[in-house]
Amino acid sequence: GDSVTQMEGPVTLSEEAFLTINCTYTATGYPSLFWYVQYPGEGLQLLLKATKADDKGSNKGFEATYRKETTSFHLEKGSVQVSDSAVYFCALRGTNTGNQFYFGTGTSLTVIP
Amino acid sequence: NAGVTQTPKFQVLKTGQSMTLQCAQDMNHEYMSWYRQDPGMGLRLIHYSVGAGITDQGEVPNGYNVSRSTTEDFPLRLLSAAPSQTSVYFCASRQGAKIDTQYFGPGTRLTVL
Repeated sequence: GDSVTQMEGPVTLSEEAFLTINCTYTATGYPSLFWYVQYPGEGLQLLLKATKADDKGSNKGFEATYRKETTSFHLEKGSVQVSDSAVYFCALRGTNTGNQFYFGTGTSLTVIP
Repeated sequence: NAGVTQTPKFQVLKTGQSMTLQCAQDMNHEYMSWYRQDPGMGLRLIHYSVGAGITDQGEVPNGYNVSRSTTEDFPLRLLSAAPSQTSVYFCASRQGAKIDTQYFGPGTRLTVL
């Protein structure tokens, strides 16, 4: 079935460091891919998305490119801030599975000043 | 717009007790879902609904019941609580099954003793 695998955390970075969080997926058909962010004590918020191969999603300095050849959707940011500290979830919406969402296990990011 | 609201925020139950987690949205969304979030497992779909009067099972439905009598409300019932149901529960909604943007409530943290 459809699934998402993302890199284990936690990740601790200094402010202004470069961030990469790896995400790979398994799916039949042509899924849409997402990154969600969860700040402490809150629900998940959509960070960015891509709906077809080679699309790049971007928001708040974060980017991810839908790579069908490597079945990947890695999250990157060139210079992280303390306010980026959160848990990041990679997810897909399956097109052959009733349009259900499948989430990765989440990666906790802490940015220290 | 209040978005997606959930009550209560915290709940402690004893094994065998029953309760209902409330979820409401004011965006006139057709599609609503319940997820549980467990450490190291990401979010898993419990039940979902594609419209009033229509519900279906997700990945982990056992021990839970849902109904959808109105577009706005989608309560989740625990029939006989078990310690394995200790988790954080999130309700989510989106405009339709094929619509990508999903809105999450703030969550309910449930502990079953």
